[in-house]
Amino acid sequence: EAEVAQSPRYKITEKSQAVAFWCDPISGHATLYWYRQILGQGPELLVQFQDESVVDDSQLPKDRFSAERLKGVDSTLKIQPAELGDSAMYLCASSLGYSADTQYFGPGTRLTVL
Amino acid sequence: SQQGEEDPQALSIQEGENATMNCSYKTSINNLQWYRQNSGRGLVHLILIRSNEREKHSGRLRVTLDTSKKSSSLLITASRAADTASYFCATADLSYNTDKLIFGTGTRLQVFP
Repeated sequence: EAEVAQSPRYKITEKSQAVAFWCDPISGHATLYWYRQILGQGPELLVQFQDESVVDDSQLPKDRFSAERLKGVDSTLKIQPAELGDSAMYLCASSLGYSADTQYFGPGTRLTVL
Repeated sequence: SQQGEEDPQALSIQEGENATMNCSYKTSINNLQWYRQNSGRGLVHLILIRSNEREKHSGRLRVTLDTSKKSSSLLITASRAADTASYFCATADLSYNTDKLIFGTGTRLQVFP
């Protein structure tokens, strides 16, 4: 069964350093999502791509976060510089179409900022 | 921001018992979905119910939706230790143009053998 791939699974960094996360969605899925999940809470959408275009980045802290999905396939989320409050699980998900239908999640990247 | 709120926040039951979780939301929706998350893992889609549906079943899962009360419930029958996880409701909010999902705060279910 096809899965969403994410790497790395765990990342420990010091504040003010740069970090990058990678996501490879299920082949053929048009929509890709990046979520941040703080321990004990539900996922919060950071950015949503439809193909290669950003359609929602209203909750993305654009002074330090950036995301791209070149060619509309895999995606990278970057944080520069990292802050202590960025410690969280970063989840990538994809869905087949453009509507709010079933999302398939990757295993996530657990980020710890020291 | 999180629209949905699950109730209870935590639930502990014995194997074989039924588990019921509730979700309340604030605005008009297109559909409501339930996801499961095992500790430290990604989320797994369980079931989707559309705004014009009132009840849906999938195996041991039963979901109801009451759009007049803006609430949903997830029932897991004959629970197993493997059902131990956090359960989240997510709403496809009609107020957004991008059909994004808004996740609730989750219910942590513990099933004891």
